[in-house]
Amino acid sequence: SSELTQDPAVSVALGQTVRITCQGDSLRSYYASWYQQKPGQAPVLVIYGKNNRPSGIPDRFSGSSSGNTASLTITGAQAEDEADYYCNSRDSSGNPHWVFGGGTKLTVL
Amino acid sequence: EVQLVESGGGLVQPGGSLRLSCAASGFTFSSYWMSWVRQAPGKGLEWVANIKQDGSEKYYVDSVKGRFTISRDNAKNSLYLQMNSLRAEDTAVYYCARWRGGSYSWYFDLWGRGTLVTVSS
Repeated sequence: SSELTQDPAVSVALGQTVRITCQGDSLRSYYASWYQQKPGQAPVLVIYGKNNRPSGIPDRFSGSSSGNTASLTITGAQAEDEADYYCNSRDSSGNPHWVFGGGTKLTVL
Repeated sequence: EVQLVESGGGLVQPGGSLRLSCAASGFTFSSYWMSWVRQAPGKGLEWVANIKQDGSEKYYVDSVKGRFTISRDNAKNSLYLQMNSLRAEDTAVYYCARWRGGSYSWYFDLWGRGTLVTVSS
């Protein structure tokens, strides 16, 4: 089982805003990073740190954190945003281990 | 072009061994921590191992500790994963990834396309 918990599936209407969440004790101390994965493709980093986007990631993607919950927000979701999204952070054991959330399947309606 | 290319995957019997390789290009390989991340068929991502720039620090997920060894050759711009005593549950696509960050934030900012390892008799 993952120490980071994500909703298995979320849907959003085209052009609307959606928030994907990730919960875990370690998120009280560490930032999460977020990855987008489309079928048959490798993951792509979309958000890291407090709220940083790698070059080439649209500004409709943003990140935030509060308490034990990290969130990825897509403002004005596009059809091409339909994908699996994973959060990642250090685990809460104090050991140098890193964990991924179970992933959220985003459907754009 | 900045890229990572994995190789070495295939079909192996339970208890067998396999060595994965990852060729890096387009960036100064020796300046970065590197990682392996795997994904079982139809499942989520799982971090497997990290290695420091000079190979002096290595970290592993508990499920592979003692069976897998991560290593690198900076002169060849290559990352490796030696996998021994393989089990059916090790079946997955294995991704090579560049790992960055520190203190309170870490992230995998560059990924290869992956190589499939199938453990089956």
